Amino acid sequence: KAGVTQTPRYLIKTRGQQVTLSCSPISGHRSVSWYQQTPGQGLQFLFEYFSETQRNKGNFPGRFSGRQFSNSRSEMNVSTLELGDSALYLCASSLVPGATGNTIYFGEGSWLTVV
Amino acid sequence: GNSVTQMEGPVTLSEEAFLTINCTYTATGYPSLFWYVQYPGEGLQLLLKATKADDKGSNKGFEATYRKETTSFHLEKGSVQVSDSAVYFCARRANNAGNMLTFGGGTRLMVKP
Repeated sequence: KAGVTQTPRYLIKTRGQQVTLSCSPISGHRSVSWYQQTPGQGLQFLFEYFSETQRNKGNFPGRFSGRQFSNSRSEMNVSTLELGDSALYLCASSLVPGATGNTIYFGEGSWLTVV
Repeated sequence: GNSVTQMEGPVTLSEEAFLTINCTYTATGYPSLFWYVQYPGEGLQLLLKATKADDKGSNKGFEATYRKETTSFHLEKGSVQVSDSAVYFCARRANNAGNMLTFGGGTRLMVKP
């Protein structure tokens, strides 16, 4: 069965532009969460969606937003890009959020470079 | 607050050496604990997990025991291989926090032949 699929894998954007990243969870998984990975800050939680509703949000500015569709696919958007937004953005999925024993699976990530 | 602290790397070992990567956490209640591994250029793969005190997670020769009394979840392997070279992340998920994981800073392991 296919894993968590993220597109695009690599992209380069210019400061001030906006970007949309896509995530398709494992079939049957309804919870999707997003993380940012940078050398300086490590792995940081962005937000989590379940049943098209945002359940949790990390400490990121409002330029970072996301949504989830009825088929559980999710997108995240970053507006007015800054150089510091250059990072690996990881999507993760699970059957439902927070259940004990719940396994969270990660995709391979989208590498964003802002120039 | 809630945090995860891992030993800093890189950790360099010879093949067949014993591995320990320390991880401690702070949290209220009883979080679930995880070890993830990241190979170069890839995303995170779940290595093992434990959901309650004294649970031992194990996979591919790696083990970690949930120690509530010392708030630790140290990763061990008896005999490492070159193919184990990667970055290892300890993570916790608090109760009632959905799937929000808090990660340690990661420990790079380099295994030499």
